[in-house]
Amino acid sequence: KNQVEQSPQSLIILEGKNCTLQCNYTVSPFSNLRWYKQDTGRGPVSLTIMTFSENTKSNGRYTATLDADTKQSSLHITASQLSDSASYICVVSDRGSTLGRLYFGRGTQLTVWP
Amino acid sequence: EADIYQTPRYLVIGTGKKITLECSQTMGHDKMYWYQQDPGMELHLIHYSYGVNSTEKGDLSSESTVSRIRTEHFPLTLESARPSHTSQYLCASSESVTDYQTNTGELFFGEGSRLTVL
Repeated sequence: KNQVEQSPQSLIILEGKNCTLQCNYTVSPFSNLRWYKQDTGRGPVSLTIMTFSENTKSNGRYTATLDADTKQSSLHITASQLSDSASYICVVSDRGSTLGRLYFGRGTQLTVWP
Repeated sequence: EADIYQTPRYLVIGTGKKITLECSQTMGHDKMYWYQQDPGMELHLIHYSYGVNSTEKGDLSSESTVSRIRTEHFPLTLESARPSHTSQYLCASSESVTDYQTNTGELFFGEGSRLTVL
């Protein structure tokens, strides 16, 4: 069964600290993995996409990694800010069909305290 | 900033009422989706469309219906709302691709419609 598991479920850190969010998946065949950020009361917004051949990709203070062999991805946030408080959702796309099917994790709720 | 809009943002109604959640996008995307999101749970696909006059049911069984008469418009309708329909409804769109190897799968979401049925 294709699944996406995220950990931790929730996380509280102090402003300025770093943190790492995890995403494990069993989706096969794999096409790509995307991290979304969802602010409270808003729709998710894409942060970064990882394809099979990519190991690391950065977007400002966000760095995503992908290990396609172990089917794990992480999102590392550096020097956290209050505005980083949000839910971070891992979404994996398969390539079993032409148009790709998306599998969603339940998200990690990050809270950054001053 | 994505150009996809949902109305209403919040709606509180009584059981048995008919409601329509509106979704419009100005990006010219052929593919549009409706997702249901409950706290602490993953997004569940309830309807999607590949283009005008195309609608399909998603993975999560839903009593709602959708229509796609215009590319930019994808409304969702509940004929008779019940308390079990209380949820957050997210509309999204994406570009059309025919080659899965180039399908980035990026979804552009609206800000959501939070429905409460009393």
